[in-house]
Amino acid sequence: DSGVTQTPKHLITATGQRVTLRCSPRSGDLSVYWYQQSLDQGLQFLIQYYNGEERAKGNILERFSAQQFPDLHSELNLSSLELGDSALYFCASSGGGGDEQFFGPGTRLTVL
Amino acid sequence: DAKTTQPPSMDCAEGRAANLPCNHSTISGNEYVYWYRQIHSQGPQYIIHGLKNNETNEMASLIITEDRKSSTLILPHATLRDTAVYYCIVRVVLPNSGYALNFGKGTSLLVTP
Repeated sequence: DSGVTQTPKHLITATGQRVTLRCSPRSGDLSVYWYQQSLDQGLQFLIQYYNGEERAKGNILERFSAQQFPDLHSELNLSSLELGDSALYFCASSGGGGDEQFFGPGTRLTVL
Repeated sequence: DAKTTQPPSMDCAEGRAANLPCNHSTISGNEYVYWYRQIHSQGPQYIIHGLKNNETNEMASLIITEDRKSSTLILPHATLRDTAVYYCIVRVVLPNSGYALNFGKGTSLLVTP
């Protein structure tokens, strides 16, 4: 158990819909990262937040957005969903130095 | 970004040492080498990291060549539970100190009885 929690575990929705994935970091960790893992693209970095502020952006689509709240939990919002958005979405957290990232169990999103 | 090259798959007998190689010939002086593994769609798990010296922890050892162009992760006594995809990652430091991890395809390690 990494100490990072993600909800929900599974999500099935239809194309065009919007969903929100939630992540609670390890106690004391200020950084939260989001990654997407699909069969054809592998594990890809999406975005990082540090203590409520966006710190780094990767290959995140404009239809996707994220935020980190004062209690440090984070949400990843995916809108206008397409079939190709079906993937595992992982959240990770780390201390301020960003050395070791601890990953949550992931949310499996299926878009039908 | 420094790219890494790993063999796509390897086998190892249970109880033997598993030596997983990684090539990162374009690594720059301040980039660290990280190893993570992913067991069957679980969240990736940190194993070890290093800059230029060899490192050891309770999970594994990391041997980095003197020129830093390659490294080897050593699992000293592999068990069936070590069957996983192993990722060698050169840590990218982005503007504003973001520490993204760029996972490649990794090495799929199969430990056999």
